Amino acid sequence: AQSVTQLDSQVPVFEEAPVELRCNYSSSVSVYLFWYVQYPNQGLQLLLKYLSGSTLVKGINGFEAEFNKSQTSFHLRKPSVHISDTAEYFCAVSRGGFKTIFGAGTRLFVKA
Amino acid sequence: EAGVAQSPRYKIIEKRQSVAFWCNPISGHATLYWYQQILGQGPKLLIQFQNNGVVDDSQLPKDRFSAERLKGVDSTLKIQPAKLEDSAVYLCASRGLEKAKLGEQFFGPGTRLTVL
Repeated sequence: AQSVTQLDSQVPVFEEAPVELRCNYSSSVSVYLFWYVQYPNQGLQLLLKYLSGSTLVKGINGFEAEFNKSQTSFHLRKPSVHISDTAEYFCAVSRGGFKTIFGAGTRLFVKA
Repeated sequence: EAGVAQSPRYKIIEKRQSVAFWCNPISGHATLYWYQQILGQGPKLLIQFQNNGVVDDSQLPKDRFSAERLKGVDSTLKIQPAKLEDSAVYLCASRGLEKAKLGEQFFGPGTRLTVL
């Protein structure tokens, strides 16, 4: 069975500082990995995804993530955050693009 | 392209009442999902449709929840009767078959249900 663990429930950070949101997954087979962002009172929006190939994936809004198979991790990073990045971030794993399991989410709070 | 539409956006009911939510996916998307997102948690899949057939409803509480997608387009999710623990945001998502968007789900804004 697949599972996703987001190691931090909340991450406060100052504007223009770097940030890393951590995600670990477990699966016995190859999976697709995703990061979604949810702004207040909105649905989820895809930030980036890893299907295969290069382990460093670049997404929208300056975010990137690195797939590490040996550590079963898919951490999300941004070198310099903005106030507008304040949101909830969800890591997700999917086998073959079908059933998707979401983590509990990490609330990123960017302070001025 | 138009996104996934959901209505209503907010609903307040008393326990033991019934409620229904509606979803219109992105045009041409064959796969449709309903998720339940309880405050402070990630979305949990309730049911997945492929066209008008059910692919996965293993986590749908079938004694009170039902969903249908009769013509393979719009879908409705119903709760009857509602319990306090059903208070959550109900998200609808759809997925197409384009190779460039493999695995990506497009989400609607959700319906926030409060059961009193």
